Amino acid sequence: DVKVTQSSRYLVKRTGEKVFLECVQDMDHENMFWYRQDPGLGLRLIYFSYDVKMKEKGDIPEGYSVSREKKERFSLILESASTNQTSMYLCASSFSSATGELFFGEGSRLTVL
Amino acid sequence: AQKITQTQPGMFVQEKEAVTLDCTYDTSDQSYGLFWYKQPSSGEMIFLIYQGSYDEQNATEGRYSLNFQKARKSANLVISASQLGDSAMYFCAMRQVGYGGATNKLIFGTGTLLAVQP
Repeated sequence: DVKVTQSSRYLVKRTGEKVFLECVQDMDHENMFWYRQDPGLGLRLIYFSYDVKMKEKGDIPEGYSVSREKKERFSLILESASTNQTSMYLCASSFSSATGELFFGEGSRLTVL
Repeated sequence: AQKITQTQPGMFVQEKEAVTLDCTYDTSDQSYGLFWYKQPSSGEMIFLIYQGSYDEQNATEGRYSLNFQKARKSANLVISASQLGDSAMYFCAMRQVGYGGATNKLIFGTGTLLAVQP
């Protein structure tokens, strides 16, 4: 089974803190993604990566950065957390195949106080 | 711009009845893919069904079927014989193909919350 593991299910941080969200997948997928989920807004793409050390901005990259030093690991970084970044963060991965089905982690619920 | 629209924020259905969740999409691409995911209250995203734009038959997976109407740009999910465990948020998504076809980004709708009543 494909497994996508996010390091923390729940985090509480203070405004201004630097926050790292880690994601690891074990299926040798080329593509990895970070989405943010908010009620009424669905899932919105923050950043994605289609290869090691490669990254592309999604629809809402402001306030975030990412790192992909190894194929299996994709990190989301909030340089200075703000209250409007309180949200559920979902990591996903996929092969560059015909369907592009995403495999998701369990999510990380971040609260910024 | 590519877009997915789910107009039903929430729905009720009686157990054992069928239910249709609406999804319309907008794209100028000729090649694209459509997905439905289920998200129970536990939070994990579960892949349900996929339809390619060139597939002539509607996709089916057990009790799930995708009513694909290309001319109308709709990809409705039909769940037959609803069960209590079907209560969840359902998301429609569309694959965007980047330059070179490498990225396979998915864009998502806002979701429909389905409640199955006994």
